[in-house]
Amino acid sequence: QEQLAESGGGVVQPGRSLRLSCAASGFIFGSYGMHWVRQAPGKGLEWVAVIWYDGSKKYYSDSVRGRFTISRDNSKNTLDLQMNSLGAGDTAVYYCARDQYFGLPPMGGRSWNAVDVWGQGTKVTVSS
Amino acid sequence: DIQMTQSPSSLSTSVGDRVTITCRSSQNISRYLNWYQQKPGKAPKLLIYAASNLQSGVPSRFSGSGSGTDFTLTISSLQPEDFASYYCQHSYSFPCTFGQGTKLEIK
Repeated sequence: QEQLAESGGGVVQPGRSLRLSCAASGFIFGSYGMHWVRQAPGKGLEWVAVIWYDGSKKYYSDSVRGRFTISRDNSKNTLDLQMNSLGAGDTAVYYCARDQYFGLPPMGGRSWNAVDVWGQGTKVTVSS
Repeated sequence: DIQMTQSPSSLSTSVGDRVTITCRSSQNISRYLNWYQQKPGKAPKLLIYAASNLQSGVPSRFSGSGSGTDFTLTISSLQPEDFASYYCQHSYSFPCTFGQGTKLEIK
C-alpha cells in the first residue's frame, strides 16, 4: 500500500527553524516527484514546494522561497523540508504528497500531473 | 503567477441534489486542472485530473469539464459522504496554486 508519513512538526518560536521529514513506502519513491502542501487552521490548501524525482529541479511558492528548502534522499525513501526564519504565517498542517504523471496531451506540451497520494500531515505552530 | 478562483465559497445542499462548483483561472491553462475533495481532519483526495478524467476508484457521480480558463466540477446526485470541501488546482506551471475551496454543507 502506498503510504507517506510526515514527522517533525511541533511548536517553534518565531524566527527559528524546523525540519520536516516524510517517509515513503509501498511504491518506488525515486520514480516520483514530490510536493509539500500546507493548510493553515481553518483555511484552504496552499502549495509550498515540489522536487523532481531525481532532485534535479525544485520550485517554491513565493511565500516560502528563500526560507524553505525541499530535498530528498532516494536511497532512504525520504523527503525533507527545511524551514528557516519561521513566522506566524507558517503555522499550518504540512502535507507530503506524491506527484503522479497522467500522460501527455494529444497535441503535445507539458504532461498532465496531479497529486495522488497524501500523507496524514504534521502540524507546525509558530508561536512565542 | 496564475490565480484560481472558485465559486461559490460555500453551498447548502441536500442529499440527491445536483451540485456544480466553478473554478476560473487568471490565464489560459488548457486542461491542466485537477479537483480534490477534503473531509475535516483528513488529507485531500484526488477526484479529477486533466479537467475531466476520473481518478481510479472515484464514483462516477463526479465529473469535470472545461478548458482554457473556466472549469466545473459536477456531482450528479449528492450522497451523504460527499459533504466536504472541494479544491481546484492548476498544474500548468509552478507555483501550481489551489483555489480557495468550496464547502458543501447540509441544508
